Formats: sequence, structure tokens, C-alpha cells
Amino acid sequence: SQQGEEDPQALSIQEGENATMNCSYKTSINNLQWYRQNSGRGLVHLILIRSNEREKHSGRLRVTLDTSKKSSSLLITASRAADTASYFCATDAAGGSYIPTFGRGTSLIVHP
Amino acid sequence: NAGVTQTPKFRVLKTGQSMTLLCAQDMNHEYMYWYRQDPGMGLRLIHYSVGEGTTAKGEVPDGYNVSRLKKQNFLLGLESAAPSQTSVYFCASNPGTSEYNEQFFGPGTRLTVL
Repeated sequence: SQQGEEDPQALSIQEGENATMNCSYKTSINNLQWYRQNSGRGLVHLILIRSNEREKHSGRLRVTLDTSKKSSSLLITASRAADTASYFCATDAAGGSYIPTFGRGTSLIVHP
Repeated sequence: NAGVTQTPKFRVLKTGQSMTLLCAQDMNHEYMYWYRQDPGMGLRLIHYSVGEGTTAKGEVPDGYNVSRLKKQNFLLGLESAAPSQTSVYFCASNPGTSEYNEQFFGPGTRLTVL
């Protein structure tokens, strides 16, 4: 069963706009990771945030984590057509198992 | 470094046939995984390995077997393929350290079972 659930399932925006996607999970975690998947390709790791961190940045990506609400958000600023992809959150259980559980993903389309 | 590679890229099987999917990584990672990805279902873990000679069941192990005789290779076997096993299969590896914890994925194998 999926631990993380992304919201929305699909998001369509114009180039230059910001894209925000959310992930909710059910049980305590060690860390939460976001991955990106281009059509027909394998997933690529974007960013990892640990349970004791609240915010992390990487280039145009900003990830927040609220362990009290068991939720995370991924913000992509100034989106580009090349950001079109599916985005998945993955949670690693408390204790650090290295066996992350993936959500169903958010499909992002950025129109040029 | 080639990273994570998967063989074959595409395969069509008839119900009841068997096949083996090969995953190889050249990064000396301890952890390796097999996932299947179906529309609307995200990634589901089939089996995983925490080191050479070890394997463990994931969320959806039925109908699959695995082996990790060498650290760099992780094989996924289907003994008697069923149409329900039509899917895209991804292999991944992970260094498995607290400082460096991310999954590296292969390009996938698209399997159709008729």
C-alpha cells in the first residue's frame, strides 16, 4: 500500500508560473524524498529532507516538511516546459530502512 | 559509470512462459530493488536486496523470484508469466548510508504478457 499520496494528481500551468504539489503520509518517517520521472524514463532523485528539517532548497526547488501534519510540499518556481514530468514523493520509515515507499505521483504539464 | 542498466528494454511473452530480467549497477551500492509501475498505481516494490547473497519480499512479491549472487547484479525471474504481470519494471540501487541515501533507477523494462 502507498504510504505517500500526492495531491493534485494532475497539474497544468503556463511557463513562468510556480508549481506546487503536496504529499501526505500516514506513519512516522526518517526522511522524505522527491523524484521526477520523464515520460518513458526511470525516476531521478531531486531532493531529500530529513524528519528534523523543515525546509530545503535546491535551485528552483523548495521542499517543506511538516511532521505534525504528516505532509510535505514541493514548489517549483518559474517553471519551464522542460519541467513537464511526473513527480513522486517517497517516504523512508522511522529508523531508516532504505526501503522507501512511493506515492502515485503528480503529473505536471508546463505549457510554453 | 553506466549507472543502473536493465536488460532487456522490451519483451513480449505468452502466458506461461518464463523469463529473467537483469539489472546491473557499477556504483558498488549495497541495496538493490525491483519495482513495477502500472498506470495510476505509482511504484510498487516487488523484492529487494540489502547486500550480496540476500533478498527479501516487498509489497507485491507473488509470481516473482530474485537472486543476487554478485553485488552488482540483481535478477528478477518470472517462472510462469500471467497477463497481470504486464507492466513496466524498474530496477534501482541505493548506497544505503545516512549521508548518501537516494535511489538510482534504471531505464525500465516494458513487459507485455499475452
